[in-house]
Amino acid sequence: EAQVTQNPRYLITVTGKKLTVTCSQNMNHEYMSWYRQDPGLGLRQIYYSMNVEVTDKGDVPEGYKVSRKEKRNFPLILESPSPNQTSLYFCASSPGLLSYEQYFGPGTRLTVT
Amino acid sequence: LAKTTQPISMDSYEGQEVNITCSHNNIATNDYITWYQQFPSQGPRFIIQGYKTKVTNEVASLFIPADRKSSTLSLPRVSLSDTAVYYCLVGDGGNTPLVFGKGTRLSVIA
Repeated sequence: EAQVTQNPRYLITVTGKKLTVTCSQNMNHEYMSWYRQDPGLGLRQIYYSMNVEVTDKGDVPEGYKVSRKEKRNFPLILESPSPNQTSLYFCASSPGLLSYEQYFGPGTRLTVT
Repeated sequence: LAKTTQPISMDSYEGQEVNITCSHNNIATNDYITWYQQFPSQGPRFIIQGYKTKVTNEVASLFIPADRKSSTLSLPRVSLSDTAVYYCLVGDGGNTPLVFGKGTRLSVIA
């Protein structure tokens, strides 16, 4: 089944403790993105990747890192999480151009205390 | 980057046709218009995409006037399960971030 998977789905952590949210797609898509969603603010893009070893900042990249060493994986790294990074995170991939059909993962709900 | 404007919310009764309009006054020549649907605590789901005139699929229709400064997503005979947030996006697929905005919250009432 074609899908985007994220792990973990739920995570509660403490301020400053490094964490990684994994994202993997099995559709051989070139483009992958990370978004965060907060009440009243809609979906905001954090980082995106056009291809392996090519990443770029979205609208809200501060406090996040990403890497794209393999085509299928696009992990999101929070080196020193803070409470303002408490949010619902979505990973997405698309077969070609960013504006076209994106496939979203199920989401990761992160709480930083 | 073209900015989009949508109504914050809409209500409809079951069985009615719903039209959600999106304004994108500074749309560029190469931009496409894409609509997504999102249910609570789920990732957005692609609905439809178009460049000009009219596009129809099994879920919805997308109407784009000649000047392309707006677009209308039409959902025929909505049901309670169509209650969701609908996002309009505009972009050319180039190396620029996609902006989802706040979307339109559609509530379907029995």
